[in-house]
Amino acid sequence: GAGVSQSPSNKVTEKGKDVELRCDPISGHTALYWYRQSLGQGLEFLIYFQGNSAPDKSGLPSDRFSAERTGGSVSTLTIQRTQQEDSAVYLCASSLSAGGGEQYFGPGTRLTVT
Amino acid sequence: GENVEQHPSTLSVQEGDSAVIKCTYSDSASNYFPWYKQELGKGPQLIIDIRSNVGEKKDQRIAVTLNKTAKHFSLHITETQPEDSAVYFCAASMAGFQKLVFGTGTRLLVSP
Repeated sequence: GAGVSQSPSNKVTEKGKDVELRCDPISGHTALYWYRQSLGQGLEFLIYFQGNSAPDKSGLPSDRFSAERTGGSVSTLTIQRTQQEDSAVYLCASSLSAGGGEQYFGPGTRLTVT
Repeated sequence: GENVEQHPSTLSVQEGDSAVIKCTYSDSASNYFPWYKQELGKGPQLIIDIRSNVGEKKDQRIAVTLNKTAKHFSLHITETQPEDSAVYFCAASMAGFQKLVFGTGTRLLVSP
């Protein structure tokens, strides 16, 4: 079946602009997660959703970052006033339910801030 | 919070050899330990996982062992093949918490 999809696959933006990254989870998965992977680094948790609620936003690096999820499906991660240090691969994952264990990742969005 | 350390950062083996990657975690409340394989330009792929009520789990050429007392777990790949070449990440999560805390990754290179 279809896996987690993300769009765009690549995004180049100028410093100071806003960007929106999209994630479509696996159908039927109620939990959705955002992670960030900087060049050559491990994955850093940003936020997770159970349904449309975000019980844990502890990983968002600043108030320039926000995320929402509507209809218990698609999620959008928004970065306002982008900075060069925001350049990274943003990965989305979904699982059957929060605490359900297995998280399945999408291919990621590579963000480059010039 | 939880902290996961992973070693080695790079590992080169000959085809057919075994490879072992080790991780340690800090919080004894962690109870779920997945391993992911990430190929260039792709998202991480779950290859095997283990829960704290199990000491070892095998799936064909891949096995994971868990030592709760020592708070470490390891990935074992036997009869390595060139297509096993990738970056491998371990992770841990705690009961009641949903986020995964990842290690820093091991780049495995299998030479023919």
